Amino acid sequence: AQSVTQLGSHVSVSEGALVLLRCNYSSSVPPYLFWYVQYPNQGLQLLLKYTSAATLVKGINGFEAEFKKSETSFHLTKPSAHMSDAAEYFCAVRPYNTDKLIFGTGTRLQVFP
Amino acid sequence: DAGVIQSPRHEVTEMGQEVTLRCKPISGHNSLFWYRQTMMRGLELLIYFNNNVPIDDSGMPEDRFSAKMPNASFSTLKIQPSEPRDSAVYFCASSAGLQQTEAFFGQGTRLTVV
Repeated sequence: AQSVTQLGSHVSVSEGALVLLRCNYSSSVPPYLFWYVQYPNQGLQLLLKYTSAATLVKGINGFEAEFKKSETSFHLTKPSAHMSDAAEYFCAVRPYNTDKLIFGTGTRLQVFP
Repeated sequence: DAGVIQSPRHEVTEMGQEVTLRCKPISGHNSLFWYRQTMMRGLELLIYFNNNVPIDDSGMPEDRFSAKMPNASFSTLKIQPSEPRDSAVYFCASSAGLQQTEAFFGQGTRLTVV
């Protein structure tokens, strides 16, 4: 079964530091990939998505992610963390031949002043 | 569009009672998903519909859970009888049904079974 793995359930950074949240997928055919953010007591909101066009995808709030087929990765980055970025981040995969959207276990990002 | 609308936002019920969660997807979307979120198990896909038809219900935990989509603008998730281990946040999401499109999530229903 196709899935995503998020390395690190918790990541802590200082305000202004680089944010790197890791996501690896398992699929023999490159799937569609998504990053979502969840703020406390809210639903999930799309940050960005990869749909086989450009491998470097830019999203909202200054986030971007790069699709690397050779590494089966889709890591999320932001050059400079903001306090408001503190939230839980989910990587998700939609396998090539299905409408299912399968989520990773999530990474909680903490930002310290 | 108001987005995906779920009701109620919070539900507290006693063990053994029937619970019904409701979802109104975004107009024009033809795929609908029910997810459950807990600390222990994360975000689990319970069931999804395409054009009102259940396509994959392999994530439904057991027979106490059932979901319906009688028309394109309404879906329910029912738990009967409810148990304390069903306490979780239940999310409904909808999408346009094309593979490259994202799913839009509702605000969730926080269910507490005491």
